[in-house]
Amino acid sequence: GENVEQHPSTLSVQEGDSAVIKCTYSDSASNYFPWYKQELGKRPQLIIDIRSNVGEKKDQRIAVTLNKTAKHFSLHITETQPEDSAVYFCAASTRGSTLGRLYFGRGTQLTVWP
Amino acid sequence: EAGVAQSPRYKIIEKRQSVAFWCNPISGHATLYWYQQILGQGPKLLIQFQNNGVVDDSQLPKDRFSAERLKGVDSTLKIQPAKLEDSAVYLCASSLADRENTFGSGTRLTVV
Repeated sequence: GENVEQHPSTLSVQEGDSAVIKCTYSDSASNYFPWYKQELGKRPQLIIDIRSNVGEKKDQRIAVTLNKTAKHFSLHITETQPEDSAVYFCAASTRGSTLGRLYFGRGTQLTVWP
Repeated sequence: EAGVAQSPRYKIIEKRQSVAFWCNPISGHATLYWYQQILGQGPKLLIQFQNNGVVDDSQLPKDRFSAERLKGVDSTLKIQPAKLEDSAVYLCASSLADRENTFGSGTRLTVV
């Protein structure tokens, strides 16, 4: 099955700085890569996703890049704010098939200091 | 639209006892997932349903875990008997075909 590795496990940045979280995957058939944000005690919430037919996607301060050849994808948060503090999970899936399960990374605890 | 509903929010049981969790997915979502999230880790899929049929239960410890989705809507996940290592948050999620997973708030299980 798919194996998703995520780094770093913890990340501390000053407010206004950028944060980058990186993930690698093993299954070349994976074609859908969502990122979830989970605040303490709350449900994971989708913040952005990318499909394998594009290399980059942006949504305001958040962007995701995908390198299919190297099998890695990254989350970029610019102009970080204290409310960005949370655990971020990357995931990979083969969408469009009946086995569209998500394989998650172990998560990155992001702390943004004011 | 209403979200994915789960109950209970918290459960504390002794080892070897049994426990059941309930999930009501978003209306119209044919696919339902149960994930186990151990503290400090990402969610791990236990079982995936498409309508009322099981699509993937390869990671479900079938000697103690069972799940059903009668009539293709609500689902229950049961653990019997529980072990200490079953302490985790159990998340239910649902999705439309080829769309993202929407998660419920989860049930935090503590086995003592």
